[in-house]
Amino acid sequence: NAGVTQTPKFRILKIGQSMTLQCTQDMNHNYMYWYRQDPGMGLKLIYYSVGAGITDKGEVPNGYNVSRSTTEDFPLRLELAAPSQTSVYFCASSLNGDYNEQFFGPGTRLTVL
Amino acid sequence: AQSVSQHNHHVILSEAASLELGCNYSYGGTVNLFWYVQYPGQHLQLLLKYFSGDPLVKGIKGFEAEFIKSKFSFNLRKPSVQWSDTAEYFCAVNPSYRDDKIIFGKGTRLHILP
Repeated sequence: NAGVTQTPKFRILKIGQSMTLQCTQDMNHNYMYWYRQDPGMGLKLIYYSVGAGITDKGEVPNGYNVSRSTTEDFPLRLELAAPSQTSVYFCASSLNGDYNEQFFGPGTRLTVL
Repeated sequence: AQSVSQHNHHVILSEAASLELGCNYSYGGTVNLFWYVQYPGQHLQLLLKYFSGDPLVKGIKGFEAEFIKSKFSFNLRKPSVQWSDTAEYFCAVNPSYRDDKIIFGKGTRLHILP
């Protein structure tokens, strides 16, 4: 099993550009999550999904969109990139919610100039 | 506001020193508790977790944590640290009424001097 994979690893965007961060898991997990990690701020939940076709907002959803058309994939879309979205983005998955361990991807480091 | 607090943002220790990283949460009721670790250049991975039973839980690499319900705490300990323990450590809480999400603390960056 590859676990949780994310692409790209690094990306530089100009203000106003758009991009999609890809996330795929091969563990047949129901739950998937997108976090952003800023220095000294820990992880903040952007969006999450409890299964294919179901998504919900986390703590900091503004400026982002997600979709979950399959169990495996959970892409994160930035429509109009802003400098405030410079961060490291982590995708995670868990079998179910509740007390199940979350498995994390390697992260995508995004810089918006 | 409900939160997860990690008291130390940055800790520096020498090898063989003992470690204790504090974590407090403000959620009432039943909680599930986690410590995650992020080694330099790597993604987060689970160090240990508490769901129920013995409040002293043991994790990988010699780490342990004690859940003290009366103090709303879940402190991480290791009796003798190694240089390879240099990493960022995150406490996380899953309140029972939010069974779909885990709340992370801001992290503690641990630096071990060789």
